[in-house]
Amino acid sequence: DTGVSQNPRHKITKRGQNVTFRCDPISEHNRLYWYRQTLGQGPEFLTYFQNEAQLEKSRLLSDRFSAERPKGSFSTLEIQRTEQGDSAMYLCASSVAGGRDEQYFGPGTRLTVT
Amino acid sequence: DAKTTQPTSMDCAEGRAANLPCNHSTISGNEYVYWYRQIHSQGPQYIIHGLKNNETNEMASLIITEDRKSSTLILPHATLRDTAVYYCIVSLPGGGSNYKLTFGKGTLLTVNP
Repeated sequence: DTGVSQNPRHKITKRGQNVTFRCDPISEHNRLYWYRQTLGQGPEFLTYFQNEAQLEKSRLLSDRFSAERPKGSFSTLEIQRTEQGDSAMYLCASSVAGGRDEQYFGPGTRLTVT
Repeated sequence: DAKTTQPTSMDCAEGRAANLPCNHSTISGNEYVYWYRQIHSQGPQYIIHGLKNNETNEMASLIITEDRKSSTLILPHATLRDTAVYYCIVSLPGGGSNYKLTFGKGTLLTVNP
């Protein structure tokens, strides 16, 4: 257990539905990251927050995806109008800016779109 | 980020040292080498990182060649719990303007009893 928690751990949804995932980082970590991982591939960067500011979004993050980090604490990742191609593991990580540079990952949320 | 090349898979006997190679021939002078691993159904776990000197911590040792074009992660006494995908990543340090990790496919290390 790294101290980063994600909920839910598994989500099955029908195509076209909206889903929201939550990430609770390690409390003193001011940086928070979202990654997506498909079967057989390494994680791919989606977006990054420093405190409450979203500083970068990957081109992988289409208009159907939105992420927030209100008050610089937990973060949510919402996917609207889900597609089968959205099926993946969604990983959250956190770190301390200027620290040892390591990112601590949560267990992930596995999304299956049917 | 510079790209890395790793073998797709490796086997190691339990109790023996596991040596995982990584090529990063286009690494720039201020980029670090990071190693993470991912045990099945878990998120990636940080192992170690270094710039040019060899590094050791409680989990592993990192040997970086003098020209910095390749490195080796060493698990001194592999156990069954070390079976995982190991990712070698080249990146600027997180304290700077870069922060995202670019993962490749990694090396699946299987530790056999």
